[in-house]
Amino acid sequence: QSALTQPASVSGSPGQSITISCTGTSSDVGGYDSVSWYQQFPGKAPSLMIYGVSDRPSGVSNRFSGSKSGNTASLTISGLQLEDEADYYCSSHTTSGTDVFGSGTKVTV
Amino acid sequence: EVQLVESGGNLVQPGGSLRLSCAASGFSFSNFWMLWVRQAPGKGLEWVANINQDGSLKYYVDSVKGRFTISRDNAKNSLYLQMNSLTAEDAAIYYCAKYHQYHFDRWGQGTLVTVSS
Repeated sequence: QSALTQPASVSGSPGQSITISCTGTSSDVGGYDSVSWYQQFPGKAPSLMIYGVSDRPSGVSNRFSGSKSGNTASLTISGLQLEDEADYYCSSHTTSGTDVFGSGTKVTV
Repeated sequence: EVQLVESGGNLVQPGGSLRLSCAASGFSFSNFWMLWVRQAPGKGLEWVANINQDGSLKYYVDSVKGRFTISRDNAKNSLYLQMNSLTAEDAAIYYCAKYHQYHFDRWGQGTLVTVSS
């Protein structure tokens, strides 16, 4: 039940694109198309941004997109905006019947 | 509107017990898996436990096995987390969340558990 690996921080300028990686194993990320991504602002509860690797809930900007290759999933934020500055966490279901989160990435704009 | 409202967080001494509750509304509670996620101060999210629709399946993170028990009362649209033998490492904000197709699509606002003598 080790946390999925994410970079501690990623930064970019307004308008740029950034990508956050999320690396696991064949028992989690690589074993299911179940990777989801969450955005969290300080003092607030997390909010779902991407599910099922690349699907967006209604209301989430299409500037957010997800993908996966092997044991690594990625979240891309295009047209970076100041309001995107937050912490981002990936998550995956596991073969043990549990779920596991990534270590978290602080995005700075 | 889906709402999840946690309660029960408090200051507790090491070795003590606490029971968290999560009141759900705005969706058919009995049709969904539910879970608890925690976040220690300044740290990342940690998945704690989940429970299936009728309470017959439960999974826990290794660090809480044997100490925490997740349960639900579908008649009351409520989720619970009984926490025993608490240590400083259990201090965190505890969130309940609705689970749907391997993702957490609704979250509560969280309840704070502090473990200190």
